[in-house]
Amino acid sequence: QKEVEQDPGPLSVPEGAIVSLNCTYSNSAFQYFMWYRQYSRKGPELLMYTYSSGNKEDGRFTAQVDKSSKYISLFIRDSQPSDSATYLCAMSPYISASKIIFGSGTRLSIRP
Amino acid sequence: GAVVSQHPSWVICKSGTSVKIECRSLDFQATTMFWYRQFPKQSLMLMATSNEGSKATYEQGVEKDKFLINHASLTLSTLTVTSAHPEDSSFYICSASMRADEQYFGPGTRLTVT
Repeated sequence: QKEVEQDPGPLSVPEGAIVSLNCTYSNSAFQYFMWYRQYSRKGPELLMYTYSSGNKEDGRFTAQVDKSSKYISLFIRDSQPSDSATYLCAMSPYISASKIIFGSGTRLSIRP
Repeated sequence: GAVVSQHPSWVICKSGTSVKIECRSLDFQATTMFWYRQFPKQSLMLMATSNEGSKATYEQGVEKDKFLINHASLTLSTLTVTSAHPEDSSFYICSASMRADEQYFGPGTRLTVT
């Protein structure tokens, strides 16, 4: 079993829809949770990070962590074609960005 | 700010040769740099972590004699793939960290070994 499981998609939604991306994990030691966006043949770009259970909002993006269920989500509101990319969840057992374990990524396509 | 560059962006080499990939932090000093490998439609897998002036720490299963990492300064780390083989063809991505809670990723280097 992988430490971090993420549905690879692809996920295709119309412009303006709310997108929900999810990951589950097995290691209860994970304390630091991140979401990255990766465009084709580019390096990942950090979107959001959080340490605690609950919600964290940044513009159109909301990150949600449920440590009791070992489940994290990223919600994108008012999705735009420019949001089309691969979204990677990532987590670390440390309160730092070292030893990051990445999910396999979900390919998202926003249809105009 | 926090820009990381990689050079080259794409390299093709013949089997048995060595190839060097550079990772630079352009506008900050990186205390730690990380090297990842990403196969098509798969996630990033950490290969090694390096701190300036000290030996890199390799992840389990990564051959340190094959993937040589040098972190000569706070702004430059290099990865040399020695005696490359077709199975080493992959997307190599570095990241740099100046504080504990963030890693800044480079644009990646696509290596094709023929």
